Amino acid sequence: GAGVSQSPSNKVTEKGKDVELRCDPISGHTALYWYRQSLGQGLEFLIYFQGNSAPDKSGLPSDRFSAERTGGSVSTLTIQRTQQEDSAVYLCASSLDAGGEQYFGPGTRLTVT
Amino acid sequence: RKEVEQDPGPFNVPEGATVAFNCTYSNSASQSFFWYRQDCRKEPKLLMSVYSSGNEDGRFTAQLNRASQYISLLIRDSKLSDSATYLCVGLNTGGFKTIFGAGTRLFVKA
Repeated sequence: GAGVSQSPSNKVTEKGKDVELRCDPISGHTALYWYRQSLGQGLEFLIYFQGNSAPDKSGLPSDRFSAERTGGSVSTLTIQRTQQEDSAVYLCASSLDAGGEQYFGPGTRLTVT
Repeated sequence: RKEVEQDPGPFNVPEGATVAFNCTYSNSASQSFFWYRQDCRKEPKLLMSVYSSGNEDGRFTAQLNRASQYISLLIRDSKLSDSATYLCVGLNTGGFKTIFGAGTRLFVKA
């Protein structure tokens, strides 16, 4: 079956621009997670959705970051006024329900110049 | 102290060796644990869940020790294809905040 998909796969943007990253979870998965991985670093938890709601947004690095999920399916992560330190791979994962095994998408590699 | 800590390695082992990774966690609220592997410039892939009773999948065995707050992964008969970074993961009660360890790098050499 189809796995988690993310788009775009690569994004190069100028400092100060806004970017929108998209995640399509596995069909039927109620839980969706966003992570960030900087080069050579571990995964940093950003936000989690159960259905369309996000119980905890404290992992978002700053108020420039926001995320939403609609229809219990697709999610978008928006970064406003991008900075060079935002350069990283942004990974999305979904699981059948909270606490279950997470399956990752291929990620979006964001480069801010 | 990090919530999930792993020995970063690298571990350099010959083919056929047995290698063990440990991971400690500090948050007793952590309820679910997993091991993932991540190849260079790829997304993490689920290797196995970790149960209190221990579980085995072929050459891989995972154990959870709640009293000492650590999980372990044992790889027997290492293959070249096992070369990767191994990540341990803990989820808190409610299953939403996921904490990944920084990963342990394994190199298996011929």
